[in-house]
Amino acid sequence: AAGVIQSPRHLIKEKRETATLKCYPIPRHDTVYWYQQGPGQDPQFLISFYEKMQSDKGSIPDRFSAQQFSDYHSELNMSSLELGDSALYFCASRGWRGDSYEQYFGPGTRLTVT
Amino acid sequence: AQSVSQHNHHVILSEAASLELGCNYSYGGTVNLFWYVQYPGQHLQLLLKYFSGDPLVKGIKGFEAEFIKSKFSFNLRKPSVQWSDTAEYFCAAGGYQKVTFGTGTKLQVIP
Repeated sequence: AAGVIQSPRHLIKEKRETATLKCYPIPRHDTVYWYQQGPGQDPQFLISFYEKMQSDKGSIPDRFSAQQFSDYHSELNMSSLELGDSALYFCASRGWRGDSYEQYFGPGTRLTVT
Repeated sequence: AQSVSQHNHHVILSEAASLELGCNYSYGGTVNLFWYVQYPGQHLQLLLKYFSGDPLVKGIKGFEAEFIKSKFSFNLRKPSVQWSDTAEYFCAAGGYQKVTFGTGTKLQVIP
């Protein structure tokens, strides 16, 4: 079965650079969540999208932005990267299956800022 | 390969019933374990976590979980559920490099 795809899986950037992380949800899923997990920390919710509209916002820095496109994939854009942005970023894809819903998590993108 | 298995996909309980949700993991090396809750229409929230120490972990809202290393399990428990506990519960295991989530258990509590 198709799973949530995230690209790239690993990314190394320098301070003040920009990065774009991509999430491809499971086909026919309409909701995407983004989470950030710093070293030794719990995953923190960043932002979510439902039907291409932002549906909820968490602790996402102003330097980050995200959107969901017409094909439902989502991109997290990160600018002016800081060392503290080094973390695992993963997304979750959610959608209806029959009369219930399902949610799956992607494998994550490991971002290292040097 | 790392994996997390949640045995129950859908659980229906009456209020005041006791809850136990199963979680088994397969993970090489030192593992951190988590339980998350997702209320309808909301994002994940951390219920509790185990990093080390006492294998019986107490979390928010009266939830607890027990890490049994020999069984590779981290089951979630609550002595008496409430209607407001209706949600989806995710077990997760991981470390610095990766976190793997289970497929979730939907809990429905009937008043």
